[in-house]
Amino acid sequence: RKEVEQDPGPFNVPEGATVAFNCTYSNSASQSFFWYRQDCRKEPKLLMSVYSSGNEDGRFTAQLNRASQYISLLIRDSKLSDSATYLCVVSRGAAGNKLTFGGGTRVLVKP
Amino acid sequence: NAGVTQTPKFRVLKTGQSMTLLCAQDMNHEYMYWYRQDPGMGLRLIHYSVGEGTTAKGEVPDGYNVSRLKKQNFLLGLESAAPSQTSVYFCASGELLNTGELFFGEGSRLTVL
Repeated sequence: RKEVEQDPGPFNVPEGATVAFNCTYSNSASQSFFWYRQDCRKEPKLLMSVYSSGNEDGRFTAQLNRASQYISLLIRDSKLSDSATYLCVVSRGAAGNKLTFGGGTRVLVKP
Repeated sequence: NAGVTQTPKFRVLKTGQSMTLLCAQDMNHEYMYWYRQDPGMGLRLIHYSVGEGTTAKGEVPDGYNVSRLKKQNFLLGLESAAPSQTSVYFCASGELLNTGELFFGEGSRLTVL
């Protein structure tokens, strides 16, 4: 079983709709969680951290469920520019070598 | 703002050839990393460095070597390229301490024939 698993998608989303997807992780010792965004043929960039209480950043909401070992990302009022691959990242510690990336969930927002 | 710069962006090699990928960062970060990204596999850590003169193995180090002679540079070498090393390579840097933010280069697309 992969340490971090994501539905690869694609999630085809009408513009203006809401889309949500999860990421499951297997290591219960995981400490920190993040969502990165990667545009086609571009480098990944940090979208947001995921806090235990859940957090929002504009149209994006991230949730953490430690009991079931998953994190989620919800995008409201989807824009065409939200089309990208969203990478779930799980950290087992402070150092960068402790980061594990999921395979990504592809989201396609269509007019 | 340069950030993290990788060279070359594209390269085609024949099996058995050698090459070096160069990563340079101008953010004075201590930590630097080399990842490879393959379809459906996510980013996998090849080697990393926690400071000038130090390197360590990541998840998939075989067939690669690295050096960090200067703080701002992190080199990834392939001594004898194999088709299995066809991939997109990303360099990243950061000062983590649980912030989780890595800054990535634009990637280097390597094809080994």
